[in-house]
Amino acid sequence: AQSVTQPDIHITVSEGASLELRCNYSYGATPYLFWYVQSPGQGLQLLLKYFSGDTLVQGIKGFEAEFKRSQSSFNLRKPSVHWSDAAEYFCAVGAPGTASKLTFGTGTRLQVTL
Amino acid sequence: EAGVAQSPRYKIIEKRQSVAFWCNPISGHATLYWYQQILGQGPKLLIQFQNNGVVDDSQLPKDRFSAERLKGVDSTLKIQPAKLEDSAVYLCASSLGSGGSHEQYFGPGTRLTVT
Repeated sequence: AQSVTQPDIHITVSEGASLELRCNYSYGATPYLFWYVQSPGQGLQLLLKYFSGDTLVQGIKGFEAEFKRSQSSFNLRKPSVHWSDAAEYFCAVGAPGTASKLTFGTGTRLQVTL
Repeated sequence: EAGVAQSPRYKIIEKRQSVAFWCNPISGHATLYWYQQILGQGPKLLIQFQNNGVVDDSQLPKDRFSAERLKGVDSTLKIQPAKLEDSAVYLCASSLGSGGSHEQYFGPGTRLTVT
């Protein structure tokens, strides 16, 4: 069965600092990979996705993620964090060929200090 | 374009009572999902509809949970009777289709507290 691990439950960064959120997955083949953001009281919003091709994907709000097959990782990065980025971030995987049945990680809560 | 609508936004009930949640997906989206998000966890898929048919309900506790999408548009998720461990946010999502690269769009969720 596929699984997703987000090892960091909570991360605090200063505004303007760089950010990297970790995500590791377990799956027999290369799955579809996603990062979602959830602000308090809001639903999930898709930041970016990887299906195939270029392993560095660009998303909305200045986020990017890099797929590393050898490490089974899909880490999310942002060069300079803004206070409005404070939220919960979820990594998710879907079976190859489909974006339907998603398995989510437990999330990483990002706090931004001014 | 209107997003996924859910109601109510909050609900508090006592254990053994029943409760229902409503979801209206984005117009034209054939696929609808219900997720359960327990505090401190990621969302877990409960059920997936394709039009008015069930595609996947393998993680739906069918002894107490039921869901329907009779006309292939809006959907209702019901819990009867509720247990304390059902306290969670129930998220509805929709997508154009169930395969390929169809992105899921999420509603704001219904926060259920069972006392």
